[in-house]
Amino acid sequence: EGQLVESGGGLVRPGGSLRLSCAASGFTFSSYWMSWVRQAPGKGLEWVANINQDGREIYYGESVKGRFTISRDNASNSLYLQMNSLRVEDTAVYYCVRAGDDNWFDPWGQGTLVTVSS
Amino acid sequence: QSVLTQPPSASGTPGQRVTISCSGSVSNIGRHILNWYQQLPGTAPKLLIYSDDQRPSGVPDRFSGSKSGTSASLAISGLQSEDEADYYCAAWDDNLNGYVFGSGTQVTVL
Repeated sequence: EGQLVESGGGLVRPGGSLRLSCAASGFTFSSYWMSWVRQAPGKGLEWVANINQDGREIYYGESVKGRFTISRDNASNSLYLQMNSLRVEDTAVYYCVRAGDDNWFDPWGQGTLVTVSS
Repeated sequence: QSVLTQPPSASGTPGQRVTISCSGSVSNIGRHILNWYQQLPGTAPKLLIYSDDQRPSGVPDRFSGSKSGTSASLAISGLQSEDEADYYCAAWDDNLNGYVFGSGTQVTVL
């Protein structure tokens, strides 16, 4: 089944940085692509980034390219999202998700809220 | 504006059949698998349909997915009050080289 638990969210000023973490359990973490998906308050879902099993293949959404970095540590079953140059429009709940072969996302973590505000 | 177009809302009475459309293009739905997600109020999204028309274990068989060309549909047969939620379609897009979600459809049970 699998479980994902995000942490690291909080309040940050525009231009600041934040690092999100995701702890995975209940499945073989190193066998799956992993992703981050976000949802701004009252808005729809937006894919942020994907990373393959060994961390060598990475894709980013256009709105975060050059500012966010996705990474993983298979030894500790952890996924990360380093967010730099944060903007007000990056305010959202950030979800960690496991990605299947056909790009399905399951399971989802409970999410961690990032608020960018002065 | 999402590259996958969904109606903003849909509704029905208990027991009715509701259908949600998802319209895309060759670069996404036309070439790639489509998945559907359900987001109940105040909760994280959940995978509802994968690989165009497959249900994960535990998803009731009143939910069904289909795809033809560059469009897809999610049908809810025998609508129940607990089906009130937001529903999102999603697929990989070759032009964007990224994953795209539809704008979401809010289903209301009258």
